[in-house]
Amino acid sequence: SQQGEEDPQALSIQEGENATMNCSYKTSINNLQWYRQNSGRGLVHLILIRSNEREKHSGRLRVTLDTSKKSSSLLITASRAADTASYFCATDTGRRALTFGSGTRLQVQP
Amino acid sequence: SAVISQKPSRDICQRGTSLTIQCQVDSQVTMMFWYRQQPGQSLTLIATANQGSEATYESGFVIDKFPISRPNLTFSTLTVSNMSPEDSSIYLCSVEEAPGQPQHFGDGTRLSIL
Repeated sequence: SQQGEEDPQALSIQEGENATMNCSYKTSINNLQWYRQNSGRGLVHLILIRSNEREKHSGRLRVTLDTSKKSSSLLITASRAADTASYFCATDTGRRALTFGSGTRLQVQP
Repeated sequence: SAVISQKPSRDICQRGTSLTIQCQVDSQVTMMFWYRQQPGQSLTLIATANQGSEATYESGFVIDKFPISRPNLTFSTLTVSNMSPEDSSIYLCSVEEAPGQPQHFGDGTRLSIL
C-alpha cells in the first residue's frame, strides 16, 4: 500500500512560474527521496533528504521536510516546458526498499 | 551513480506465457529491488532481490508468479509467469549502492499482455 499521498494530483502552470508539490507520509522515516518520471519511462532521482535535515537545494529544486507533520514539499522554480513530468516522493522507513506516494502530474505550458 | 541496464525495454506477450526481465548494473551494489507500476498508478514494491538466496516478497506477490534470481552483486532477473492482461505494467529494477544512498532506477520494461 502507498506510504502516503501527494497533492495536488495534477498541476498545470505557465513557463516561468514556480511549481510546488506536497507529500505526506504515515510512519517514521530514515530519508525521503523525490523522483521525476517522463512519459512512463524510468525514474530519475532528484533529491534525497535525510530525517535530520529540514531543507535541501539542487539547482532550481528546493525540498523541505517536516518530520513532526510527516510531510515534504518539492519546489521547482522558474519552471520550463521540459519540467513536464510526473513527480513522486518515496520514503525509506529503514527497510531500504522505498514506499512511493501517489504522484503529481505537472504540466508546464510554454 | 551506477548505470543500470534493463531489458527488454518493452514486449507484447500472449496470455499464459512467461517473460524474464534482466537488470544489469555496471558496479557492485548492496541492494536490488523490483517494482511494478500499473497503468496510471504509482510504484509498488514486488520484492527485494537477495544475492545468493531467495528474494523477499511483499504482501500480494508470490514466488511462483514472480520468480527472482540474483546470482551476484551486479545482476538480477524477474520472471513474470503465466501472464494475464492484469500483468500489463511497467516493471522496474532499482539499486542502492550503499546504505543511506539514493536509490536509482533502470528505464523499466513496459509489458503488454494480449
